[in-house]
Amino acid sequence: AIQMTQSPSSLSASVGDRVTITCRASQGIRNDLGWYQQKPGKAPKLLIYAASSLQSGVPSRFSGSGSGTDFTLTISSLQPEDFATYYCLQDYNYLGTFGQGTKVEIK
Amino acid sequence: EVQLVETGGGLIQPGGSLRLSCAASGFTVSSNYMSWVRQAPGKGLEWVSVIYSGGSTYYADSVKGRFTISRDNSKNTLYLQMNSLRAEDTAVYYCATGLGTVVTPSVWGQGTLVTVSS
Repeated sequence: AIQMTQSPSSLSASVGDRVTITCRASQGIRNDLGWYQQKPGKAPKLLIYAASSLQSGVPSRFSGSGSGTDFTLTISSLQPEDFATYYCLQDYNYLGTFGQGTKVEIK
Repeated sequence: EVQLVETGGGLIQPGGSLRLSCAASGFTVSSNYMSWVRQAPGKGLEWVSVIYSGGSTYYADSVKGRFTISRDNSKNTLYLQMNSLRAEDTAVYYCATGLGTVVTPSVWGQGTLVTVSS
């Protein structure tokens, strides 16, 4: 099974900061990677698919990059509504795997 | 409007069985790649099972042989039959799907909580 290693597991940041979260796949997955945002008690929300494509309705401050094994989610200027937990997901395989999650907290 | 609504969760004793349902509206379940994803309390997301439009099914090792994914095309509903339940199956269960050319799940239900405890 493909393992996804996400880092950091948590971070503290201020409004306006640039935030970067990374995911590394245990084998090449082309660009078959998505990024999700999840708030407490809510279902995950898709932000990015195919590593760098912005899902409809998602603010442009979110961006994704990478291919093969190394991927990055960047929030260019953190907003109050962005404090949440973020997950990567590889859907290269017929059964995907998620990263462990990154909790973004207010500094 | 595209929507998924899960039902069927609850408290069940270890070793028991439960069937979750996911009613879809705004699209056709049989034409889509449908998934079940779960999240244990305070933990991360785990992809549990998937059924392709052609009918192929796949399971996480943690549930293989105990869970069965299926769909009823006439009811436009996805199911997850869960047998031999264990404490570690306690989680919120979500159904999810991608739409159009985007396979990555973009539509999620609200989730249903399954608690396995004596």
